[in-house]
Amino acid sequence: SAVISQKPSRDICQRGTSLTIQCQVDSQVTMMFWYRQQPGQSLTLIATANQGSEATYESGFVIDKFPISRPNLTFSTLTVSNMSPEDSSIYLCSVHGTGGYGYTFGSGTRLTVV
Amino acid sequence: DAKTTQPTSMDCAEGRAANLPCNHSTISGNEYVYWYRQIHSQGPQYIIHGLKNNETNEMASLIITEDRKSSTLILPHATLRDTAVYYCIVRVSNTNAGKSTFGDGTTLTVKP
Repeated sequence: SAVISQKPSRDICQRGTSLTIQCQVDSQVTMMFWYRQQPGQSLTLIATANQGSEATYESGFVIDKFPISRPNLTFSTLTVSNMSPEDSSIYLCSVHGTGGYGYTFGSGTRLTVV
Repeated sequence: DAKTTQPTSMDCAEGRAANLPCNHSTISGNEYVYWYRQIHSQGPQYIIHGLKNNETNEMASLIITEDRKSSTLILPHATLRDTAVYYCIVRVSNTNAGKSTFGDGTTLTVKP
C-alpha cells in the first residue's frame, strides 16, 4: 500500500496565524483526502483534493479557512488559516490503498492553537 | 456511504478473542465492509474488508451475516497492543469511488 509522509507532526501556533500541512505520497494517486479529528472525537472529512481541479469541501468547511493545494499526483497541502483555539485538532491526510485495500493515512499533525 | 452503528466501548481479556460488532442495515449491494483501527495518537490503520464472504488475514477475521446487515471483526488472541478505537465503514471498493465517512467507532480496551 501507499506510504504517506505528513509534516509537521505537531505544532503549537498563535491564534490568528496560519499553518500549512504537507502530505507526500510515494505513488501517484487521483484523490487525496483531508480529515480533522477533534479531541476525543472521530474523524471528520474536510475536503477531497483532486489534481488539476479545485478541492471539494464538505459541509461546514470552506476554502477561505482551509485552502488546499494539489500541484501533482503525489503531493498536497492543507492550510489552516486565521487559527483560533477551536482549530486545535489532529489533521490527517489519506489516500486510497491499492488493490482495494482501504485507505492509507498519514501519521497526522497535532495542532494546538494558543 | 451507508451508516454504521457500533457499541461505544468494549473490554477484552488479554489472550482471549475480541469480537467487535457492527450494524450496517442500509448497506447497498456493491458496498464492502471495511474495518480500521486507530491506536492513540496515530493515523487509522486498515485491518480487513469483505463483501459477503467471511475473510481472514494475519490481523483479524471478518464475519458478515448472510443478509449483510451486520458484521463482526474478530481478533483471535487480543494483546495489550490491540487497545484502540475500531471503526467499521461501508463503501464501494473502487479506488476512485471517493470519500468515506467515519462513525464514532468502538473503543476496545484489552486488559491483562
